[in-house]
Amino acid sequence: DIQMTQSPSSLSASVGDRVTFTCRASQSITTYLNWYQQKPGKAPKLLIYAASSLQSGVPSRFSGSGSGTDFTLTISSLQPEDFATYYCQQSYSTTITFGQGTRLEIK
Amino acid sequence: EVQLLESGGGLVQPGGSLRLSCAASGFTFTTFAMNWVRQAPGKGLEWVSAISGSGGGTYYADSVKGRFTISRDTSKNTLYLQMNSLRAEDTAVYYCAKFPYDVLTIAGWFDPWGQGTLVTVSS
Repeated sequence: DIQMTQSPSSLSASVGDRVTFTCRASQSITTYLNWYQQKPGKAPKLLIYAASSLQSGVPSRFSGSGSGTDFTLTISSLQPEDFATYYCQQSYSTTITFGQGTRLEIK
Repeated sequence: EVQLLESGGGLVQPGGSLRLSCAASGFTFTTFAMNWVRQAPGKGLEWVSAISGSGGGTYYADSVKGRFTISRDTSKNTLYLQMNSLRAEDTAVYYCAKFPYDVLTIAGWFDPWGQGTLVTVSS
């Protein structure tokens, strides 16, 4: 199975900060990488698909980049509603796998 | 509007069985693959199983292969997950999620997700 590793596991930041999350695959997945946001008690929400495509309705402060094995999710200016856990997910293989998540906390 | 509504969760003893359902609306059910994804309490997301739009292709995580069976009823626009030989480690919130393509062999993503149903395996 393709292993997905996210770093850091948690991150503290302030409103207005620019933050970047990293996701690394154990083998090349080209651009078959998606990002989700999950708030406590809620279902995950798709933010970015195919590494860099912004899902409809998602604010433009979210952006994704990368290909091969290394990917990033960036929030350009943190808003209060952005504090949540973020997961990456690969669909290069039909055995789909997620990263372990990065928890974004308020500093 | 696409909507997914899971049901069927509950408390079951180790070794027992449970069937989850996911009622879909707002889209042509046979055109899209569907998935189950679970999340153990306080843990991350784990993909469990998928089925193609036609129902002809099914996929499972190694952790549930041979114990869980995914299926779909196109007349009822409903996705199912039959879970047998349940273990404590199967305790989780189970989400159904729509895939953007008919088959899993085309790389895609999960959107939208249902609200989830909690399965607790305990004696």
